[in-house]
Amino acid sequence: DTAVSQTPKYLVTQMGNDKSIKCEQNLGHDTMYWYKQDSKKFLKIMFSYNNKELIINETVPNRFSPKSPDKAHLNLHINSLELGDSAVYFCASSQDAVGRGELFFGEGSRLTVL
Amino acid sequence: DQQVKQNSPSLSVQEGRISILNCDYTNSMFDYFLWYKKYPAEGPTFLISISSIKDKNEDGRFTVFLNKSAKHLSLHIVPSQPGDSAVYFCAATELMNYGGSQGNLIFGKGTKLSVKP
Repeated sequence: DTAVSQTPKYLVTQMGNDKSIKCEQNLGHDTMYWYKQDSKKFLKIMFSYNNKELIINETVPNRFSPKSPDKAHLNLHINSLELGDSAVYFCASSQDAVGRGELFFGEGSRLTVL
Repeated sequence: DQQVKQNSPSLSVQEGRISILNCDYTNSMFDYFLWYKKYPAEGPTFLISISSIKDKNEDGRFTVFLNKSAKHLSLHIVPSQPGDSAVYFCAATELMNYGGSQGNLIFGKGTKLSVKP
């Protein structure tokens, strides 16, 4: 039973489209994140939510909108996709306040924008 | 501007020998450091961490060393096994007042370790 699961794992789409990536964690964690691994292999934080509240919002275009319906889910919606959005997007979770960064990552969703 | 640097993109080691993966950081505010391991088509998995109040942390075959004055840390794997072949990411964070992290980890680019039988 996967602790942090994200769907879809692969997504190929055209420029200008809108797409969503879903993430669910069954670890009972309070905090969830979206990280992006770009073509240069850097993993960078995009957003984090604690109990459905946004706590980190890095410099990300407002075409990216995270949504957390409850603390077990954090979805990422991307509007008007651009070529530069092609990357692997990782969802993660952690037990806030106790944890010190030991994030649990999902398997990643590889987005390819053509 | 890379705050966490892993200058070796790859490392090849014979099974049974020691693997040493290096990491340098520039931000003196970082006070907690982590190593993650990543297999292809999987997400990174937490391996070991160290607080800035320590200079060594050991967990089985894995030991992390921290040299604060040099802003350098290293991960030692002894003995190396073929199953250790993966990409290893160094990460750093600044702990909040309550002692935890907001999870804003700054990652290096990773080092691909190959352990040959």
